[in-house]
Amino acid sequence: DVKVTQSSRYLVKRTGEKVFLECVQDMDHENMFWYRQDPGLGLRLIYFSYDVKMKEKGDIPEGYSVSREKKERFSLILESASTNQTSMYLCASSFLAGGPVEQFFGPGTRLTVL
Amino acid sequence: DQQVKQNSPSLSVQEGRISILNCDYTNSMFDYFLWYKKYPAEGPTFLISISSIKDKNEDGRFTVFLNKSAKHLSLHIVPSQPGDSAVYFCAASADGNKLVFGAGTILRVKS
Repeated sequence: DVKVTQSSRYLVKRTGEKVFLECVQDMDHENMFWYRQDPGLGLRLIYFSYDVKMKEKGDIPEGYSVSREKKERFSLILESASTNQTSMYLCASSFLAGGPVEQFFGPGTRLTVL
Repeated sequence: DQQVKQNSPSLSVQEGRISILNCDYTNSMFDYFLWYKKYPAEGPTFLISISSIKDKNEDGRFTVFLNKSAKHLSLHIVPSQPGDSAVYFCAASADGNKLVFGAGTILRVKS
């Protein structure tokens, strides 16, 4: 079974703090993704990576950065957390394929920024 | 501009009846479509998919229909069960790797 784990289920941070969200997958997937989920907006792609040290911006990258130093690990960084970054953050992974492939998701991190 | 739209925020169905969840898309480059199911406090799990070369795909109680000319797909669940109560997300892909998600539909199956 594919397993995608996220470092925390719940986090509470203060405005201005630097926040690290970690994601690890155990299926040797090339692709890794970070989404945020907000009511009425669905899942929106923040960043994704298709290889170690490679990253590409998604639809809403502002205020975020990422790091992929190892194939199995993809980190999302909030350089200076703001209240509008309060959200559910979901990590996913998939194979890099010539055809369509499904993404496997972690359980999510509920981040609250006060 | 939302490229994938789920216009019904919620749907309530009686146990044993059919649930029909709808999804519309605007990008004609999308050629692969998926449905994910999400329970509270869990990540989404893959349910069923369909390629644009097909118009129907079945997996047990779940069937996805694709109408390319209308840019519309639907998920049918027959018969609906209380355990199907969850948020359902429609997703689409143009390159097989990146997905664009809809806003989700909350399905409640009443027993």
